[in-house]
Parts: sequence; structure tokens; C-alpha cells
Amino acid sequence: SQQGEEDPQALSIQEGENATMNCSYKTSINNLQWYRQNSGRGLVHLILIRSNEREKHSGRLRVTLDTSKKSSSLLITASRAADTASYFCATDERGAQKLVFGQGTRLTINP
Amino acid sequence: DAGVIQSPRHEVTEMGQEVTLRCKPISGHDYLFWYRQTMMRGLELLIYFNNNVPIDDSGMPEDRFSAKMPNASFSTLKIQPSEPRDSAVYFCASSFGSNSPLHFGNGTRLTVT
Repeated sequence: SQQGEEDPQALSIQEGENATMNCSYKTSINNLQWYRQNSGRGLVHLILIRSNEREKHSGRLRVTLDTSKKSSSLLITASRAADTASYFCATDERGAQKLVFGQGTRLTINP
Repeated sequence: DAGVIQSPRHEVTEMGQEVTLRCKPISGHDYLFWYRQTMMRGLELLIYFNNNVPIDDSGMPEDRFSAKMPNASFSTLKIQPSEPRDSAVYFCASSFGSNSPLHFGNGTRLTVT
């Protein structure tokens, strides 16, 4: 079953613009994670935010978490062509170790 | 750190044949996961191990699928007999501790004709 659902499914922006992706989930969680996947490669962990945190930063990445709305957002500022990839949110369903991934957002940065 | 290593990178086989996918997790990691990725179903968790013991195999599609972890540095996912609908990219991932980031291998692209 899908725990997280990303929105939008696809996003195309110009280099230098900001990109925002959203994730909604269904059950209580311990943490939420965001991953990036380049074409033909495995997923790479970007950032983890715990259920008692509301916002977290890592370089050009900013993640927010609203547990009351069961939603999270990933903001990439000053996008670059190298940011072109698919982005996934993942949650530990009901606090279990197993991570359940959403369908992902395909982000394209146009030069 | 070599990362999670999967082999083979690509596998093409005929329906009915046995397929074995291999994974070497990152040294010291105590959790190992097998995921399957398709366009239609996205990323699905098949099974995961903790300290070489299978913890949850509820995602394994059917009895044709089996996974083993004989030691901390090696795991296999076997499909016997394989079917065209098994065609997908299979990922192995490992992590240290619970509720921790996963480190993925680059996957095995399986095509069953």
C-alpha cells in the first residue's frame, strides 16, 4: 500500500528557480525522509525530519513537516540542471522500520 | 566505502527460468531491504532483514519469490520460476539502526521474456 503520495507528479522549471514538491501520508510516523533518484541509479538519501521537528535545512534543501495535516514539502532553492531527477518521500509506516515510498515527483530543470 | 553492491546489473531470462539476484550491504549495517520498482506500482518493499533474520516478508508477491541472508555481508533474492510480470528493477538497500536513512545499490534490471 502507498503511504506517501507526492504532488505534483511532474515539475518542469527554469534553472535558478525554486522547486517545491509536496508529500502526504496516512498514518502516524516517527520520521519522514526524502530521496533523489537519477535515471538508471539507486535512490540517494537527502534529508530526514523527525516527527517532533517542523523544519529542517540542508544546503539548498528545505523540508517542512506538518504532522497535523500529515504532509511534508521539499523546497530546492536556486535549482541547477544537476537537480534533474525524481524525488521521493518515504515514511516509516506506523513507526515500523520498513520505509514506504510514494510514487515520486519527476523534476526537470531546463537550462 | 564501496556502498551497497548488487549483481548483476542487468539480467535477461526466459519465462520459467530461475533468477538469482545478489546484494552486498555496507559493512556494519544491520538492516537489509529488498525493493522492486516498476512504472505501474512504484517502489514496493518485498522483504527486510535485521541482523540476518527476516523480519517482514509480507511484500513478497508469491511463493515463487524467496530471499536469504546467510551472513551479514550477503543476501540473495531468488525467483523460481520467473514470469514476464516479474520484469522490474530490483533494489537492495541497507541501513544502520532503526529509523535510519537507507543506502541503495544501483539495482538489477530484470527482464523476463
